[in-house]
Amino acid sequence: AQSVAQPEDQVNVAEGNPLTVKCTYSVSGNPYLFWYVQYPNRGLQFLLKYITGDNLVKGSYGFEAEFNKSQTSFHLKKPSALVSDSALYFCAVRDQPRRTPLVFGKGTRLSVIA
Amino acid sequence: EADIYQTPRYLVIGTGKKITLECSQTMGHDKMYWYQQDPGMELHLIHYSYGVNSTEKGDLSSESTVSRIRTEHFPLTLESARPSHTSQYLCASRSERGTGGLTEAFFGQGTRLTVV
Repeated sequence: AQSVAQPEDQVNVAEGNPLTVKCTYSVSGNPYLFWYVQYPNRGLQFLLKYITGDNLVKGSYGFEAEFNKSQTSFHLKKPSALVSDSALYFCAVRDQPRRTPLVFGKGTRLSVIA
Repeated sequence: EADIYQTPRYLVIGTGKKITLECSQTMGHDKMYWYQQDPGMELHLIHYSYGVNSTEKGDLSSESTVSRIRTEHFPLTLESARPSHTSQYLCASRSERGTGGLTEAFFGQGTRLTVV
């Protein structure tokens, strides 16, 4: 069975500092990996995905994520955090090529402090 | 901007009432999903559909039911609402035709349900 772990419920970062939101996964085959962001009272917005190819994936709003197969991780990163990045972040995985829905992590609340 | 819509955005309803949460998408996506989101944030898959006349239960047991009579429409119904159903409900869709599962899901803005 596929699963995702986000070990941190909350991450606090000062504006301008780099940020990392951690994600590890477990699948039986090769993973499709996704990051989503949720702002208050909104649905989830897609940030980026890893399917195959380069381990460093670039996405929306300056975010990027690094796929590490040996550590089964897909950490979300940004070189310089903005206050407007404060939101909930969800990592998700699908086990390809099986017809399985996305499985989400529990979410990490990012607070960027001015 | 994703073309997936949920109505109502907010709903307060009394115990025992029947309610239907609407979800529609105009992208022609074959796959649609309903997630329940805890107040503490975690998302739980409660129903999904791979196409017309296809529905499956998700990981979280739910007293709700769904139907998929048309590609664009995936309503969720609670026959008798209870306070334990108070939550945020998120609908999502994606297309897998010709992509081998490479596409991301698009989410609606959610329905926040309160049962009193």
